[in-house]
Amino acid sequence: AQSVTQLGSHVSVSEGALVLLRCNYSSSVPPYLFWYVQYPNQGLQLLLKYTSAATLVKGINGFEAEFKKSETSFHLTKPSAHMSDAAEYFCAVSDEGGTYKYIFGTGTRLKVLA
Amino acid sequence: GAGVSQTPSNKVTEKGKYVELRCDPISGHTALYWYRQSLGQGPEFLIYFQGTGAADDSGLPNDRFFAVRPEGSVSTLKIQRTERGDSAVYLCASSPGGVDGYTFGSGTRLTVV
Repeated sequence: AQSVTQLGSHVSVSEGALVLLRCNYSSSVPPYLFWYVQYPNQGLQLLLKYTSAATLVKGINGFEAEFKKSETSFHLTKPSAHMSDAAEYFCAVSDEGGTYKYIFGTGTRLKVLA
Repeated sequence: GAGVSQTPSNKVTEKGKYVELRCDPISGHTALYWYRQSLGQGPEFLIYFQGTGAADDSGLPNDRFFAVRPEGSVSTLKIQRTERGDSAVYLCASSPGGVDGYTFGSGTRLTVV
């Protein structure tokens, strides 16, 4: 069965520093991949998605992610962190049995230090 | 509506009681999903509707859980004989179909005491 691993449940960066949040998936078949952000007491908001077009995907709020098939990875990056980026980030992958069903990672909480 | 609306936002119920959670998807979205998010975890799939029918209910944990979408729009997740382990945030999402990603609602936080 498909699975998603997010390395690091908590990540702290200084304001202005590079943000790197890691996501690896298990499927041998290239899936559809997503990053969602969740602010406190809110639902999940789609940041970006990979659906087999360009491997470098740009999303909202300056975030981007690169699909690397050889590494089964879809890491999320942002060149310069802003205080407003503090939130929980979830990587999700479409299930092998049905692309409508997403398997989510356990999340990474990003803290931005002033 | 402009977004996915879930009501109530919070629900506290006693063990053994019946609860209903409502989801109003984005107008025109044919696909509707329910997920459950336990503390410290990512969302877990419960059920997927395409139109009025449940196309995949494989994530429902047991027969105490049931969901309907009678007119292909609003959906209700029903939980009978609630248990403390049912406490979680229940998220609803909708999409126009395809693989463009979902739009989630803000969730209903269910607490069973």
